[in-house]
Amino acid sequence: EAGVAQSPRYKIIEKRQSVAFWCNPISGHATLYWYQQILGQGPKLLIQFQNNGVVDDSQLPKDRFSAERLKGVDSTLKIQPAKLEDSAVYLCASSSRFGQEGNSPLHFGNGTRLTVT
Amino acid sequence: AQSVTQLDSHVSVSEGTPVLLRCNYSSSYSPSLFWYVQHPNKGLQLLLKYTSAATLVKGINGFEAEFKKSETSFHLTKPSAHMSDAAEYFCVVFASGGSYIPTFGRGTSLIVHP
Repeated sequence: EAGVAQSPRYKIIEKRQSVAFWCNPISGHATLYWYQQILGQGPKLLIQFQNNGVVDDSQLPKDRFSAERLKGVDSTLKIQPAKLEDSAVYLCASSSRFGQEGNSPLHFGNGTRLTVT
Repeated sequence: AQSVTQLDSHVSVSEGTPVLLRCNYSSSYSPSLFWYVQHPNKGLQLLLKYTSAATLVKGINGFEAEFKKSETSFHLTKPSAHMSDAAEYFCVVFASGGSYIPTFGRGTSLIVHP
């Protein structure tokens, strides 16, 4: 099966500019996650979707970050305006199931490395 | 609430010697537990998973982990380290019946000396 696709692979922008990342999950996976991984740290969940609904976005800085998952498939994460501290790798993951029936592993894309100068 | 603690930020071993990467978790519900590996400039790859079946779980590349409920631990081991094992390793807890949000540890960097 095809894996999780992310683009772009790298992005360099200046602070106060905007940027968008795209993710296409594994076919049939209902759950989609966006994580932020700052150098030297573990991934931090930004937002979790179940189909096109938001399960959790408690750690998403909503004044500058937004995410959508139209039609319950592809997803876009946007930052506007970017700050220096947003420099990180943005990881998208998908899974087939979570909840009382059990939790399937997350399958990750290769990530987008964002540098804000 | 759930949390995961990786007890070592760095582990250094010689090639051919055993590997032990330690992970403790906290969860109010029966957890699902995973180990992921991340090689430099690569995405995260699933090593193994525990989802309430056998407590000793075998994964890829010779790794295994044992779920110990009494110790709330899920340590990752490998009998003999290989140079290609050098990478960052993450323990993940996912609580069934709870918030269903996968929580990552801070990671353990495995260094393998020739």
